[in-house]
Amino acid sequence: SQQGEEDPQALSIQEGENATMNCSYKTSINNLQWYRQNSGRGLVHLILIRSNEREKHSGRLRVTLDTSKKSSSLLITASRAADTASYFCATDALGNDMRFGAGTRLTVKP
Amino acid sequence: NAGVTQTPKFQVLKTGQSMTLQCAQDMNHNSMYWYRQDPGMGLRLIYYSASEGTTDKGEVPNGYNVSRLNKREFSLRLESAAPSQTSVYFCASSESGGTNEQFFGPGTRLTVL
Repeated sequence: SQQGEEDPQALSIQEGENATMNCSYKTSINNLQWYRQNSGRGLVHLILIRSNEREKHSGRLRVTLDTSKKSSSLLITASRAADTASYFCATDALGNDMRFGAGTRLTVKP
Repeated sequence: NAGVTQTPKFQVLKTGQSMTLQCAQDMNHNSMYWYRQDPGMGLRLIYYSASEGTTDKGEVPNGYNVSRLNKREFSLRLESAAPSQTSVYFCASSESGGTNEQFFGPGTRLTVL
């Protein structure tokens, strides 16, 4: 069963706009990670947020975590065509057993 | 520094055939993982190896076996392939368990006819 579920499934925006993706999960976690996958490629790690953190920034990425609502959001500011990819959240509730969501497919139009 | 490498990149099998997917990492990581990715679904963990000499089942282990040959290499074997195993397979590694980021290989696209 999938632990994380991303919302929306697909998102299409214009270059320069912000993109927000959400992730909900079911059980308590130690940390939550976001990954990006370009078409036909492996996943690339973007950012990790621990359960005792509420917000984290990395360049144009901002991740928030609300453990009371069991949800996280990923904000990409000033999006670029190169940000076109699928984005996945992953949680480690079971130690080594990482669980990934089905992903949000982001399209950024030039 | 190649990171995580996987072979082959593509494979077509007939039902009942067997094959081994190879994975190697050069980052001196302790933990290694095998996932499958199907359309519309995220990655699902097949097996993982927390450290050299240990392997454990993940979410979808049926029909697969693994071998942690040494610290660098982690192979996935399909003994008798079935059409339901048509998928893209990713190998990943991390310094240790779930609190660390995982580094992924480029994937193996497997079709079972």
